Amino acid sequence: QVQLQESGPGLLKPSETLSLTCAVSGYSISSAYYWGWIRQPPGKGLEWIGSRYHSGSTYYHPSLKSRVAMSIDTSKNQFSLKLSSVTAADTAVYYCASASRYDARGYDFDYWGQGTLVTVSS
Amino acid sequence: SYVLTQPSSVSVAPGQTARITCGGNNIGSKSVHWYQQKPGQAPMLVVYDDSVRPSGIPERFSGSNSGNTATLTISRVEAGDEADYYCQVCDSGSFVVFGGGTGLTVL
Repeated sequence: QVQLQESGPGLLKPSETLSLTCAVSGYSISSAYYWGWIRQPPGKGLEWIGSRYHSGSTYYHPSLKSRVAMSIDTSKNQFSLKLSSVTAADTAVYYCASASRYDARGYDFDYWGQGTLVTVSS
Repeated sequence: SYVLTQPSSVSVAPGQTARITCGGNNIGSKSVHWYQQKPGQAPMLVVYDDSVRPSGIPERFSGSNSGNTATLTISRVEAGDEADYYCQVCDSGSFVVFGGGTGLTVL
């Protein structure tokens, strides 16, 4: 059974760096084609943050590109997100997700973590 | 950047058919994926590649995609289908775009 579990600090101060980890179980992290982070501000819709292809290429939302970094640790079977210089606008539930298939037209996220709330407040 | 437009809300009586649209420029040339999200839960994939249901998703859920509009159709709607629904595509291959989401209300 594939499970994804996000973890990390739930409260940050403005200007700090958000660091989240997605622990993967029941599935080798090397088996997915894409690993992604998606966030959802309270009461709002889904916003894609970025994805990492299994080969190492990364793709980030243009509005976040300057502040985002994603990495994979195959030895720990986990996937990480760093978002620097956070503000209150970064307050959201953060989800990690994986894509086990893709084609020339793209991919979907077939596995999701339960999400973790990150609040940015002074 | 590519934009997906969804109605903010759709209402339907139990047993009827709900149709949730997702509009985008020439979206028919893209693969459209649909997610269901119930309150307090993570999104769950209900249709991928326009019309394919993942294992475990009822046949009542179906999808279509043509021209500038993709549609998620839920037949014989049940109270348990009440949720937010999001469409998703990839732009330029690897950049993910979500629609704004549609809240389905079962009257």
